[in-house]
Amino acid sequence: QVQLVESGGGVVQPGRSLRLSCAASGFTFSSYGMHWVRQAPGKGLEWVAVIWYDGTNKYYADSVKGRFTISRDNSKNTLYLQMNSLRVEDTAVYYCAKDTAATAFDYWGQGTLVTVSS
Amino acid sequence: AIRMTQSPSSFSASTGDRVTITCRASQGLSSYLAWYQQKPGKAPKLLIYAASTLQSGVPSRFSGSGSGTDFTLTISCLQSEDFATYYCQQYYTYPRTFGQGTKVEIK
Repeated sequence: QVQLVESGGGVVQPGRSLRLSCAASGFTFSSYGMHWVRQAPGKGLEWVAVIWYDGTNKYYADSVKGRFTISRDNSKNTLYLQMNSLRVEDTAVYYCAKDTAATAFDYWGQGTLVTVSS
Repeated sequence: AIRMTQSPSSFSASTGDRVTITCRASQGLSSYLAWYQQKPGKAPKLLIYAASTLQSGVPSRFSGSGSGTDFTLTISCLQSEDFATYYCQQYYTYPRTFGQGTKVEIK
């Protein structure tokens, strides 16, 4: 069965960095695009970034462009999100999600909480 | 970016009710529209994709319709486990965008 397990969240000061990981299993990871989606406390869902199945293309939300970098290691079945210059408004639960062009986000991880606070 | 607007933002309903949530896009999506259900403290769950196709394992009381800019999610007979927040999402283009959510509460 498909499993996505995020890790790396925690409390960090504004301006600092954090790297999230998403370990995938139960499907051929190297065949699918992957996304990060976040949800601030009590708020709705916000798409963050996508990476193509082979890592050749990446897109970002304007709110994180230039600060966040999405990457993947298909040999380790793992997706990453490097978050630099963190801001208080980046505080959220971060989910990784599997993509199919036909069905949108068909599987999601359980999420990892990032709190940016001084 | 394509703006997705859901209505209503929240409402109360009773078990057994038929409920409809609407989602309007600021530009045409063809049928690249998905619906998700989210319960407190849990990840979103895909209910419907391609505007009207039920994801495997989702009860048939859920249905979706629409194309272009106007879409609806209908729950034909509300069950206790359906009280949750529902989001529409377009996957026609980047950036992917979600509606603001519709919270379905118990009356």
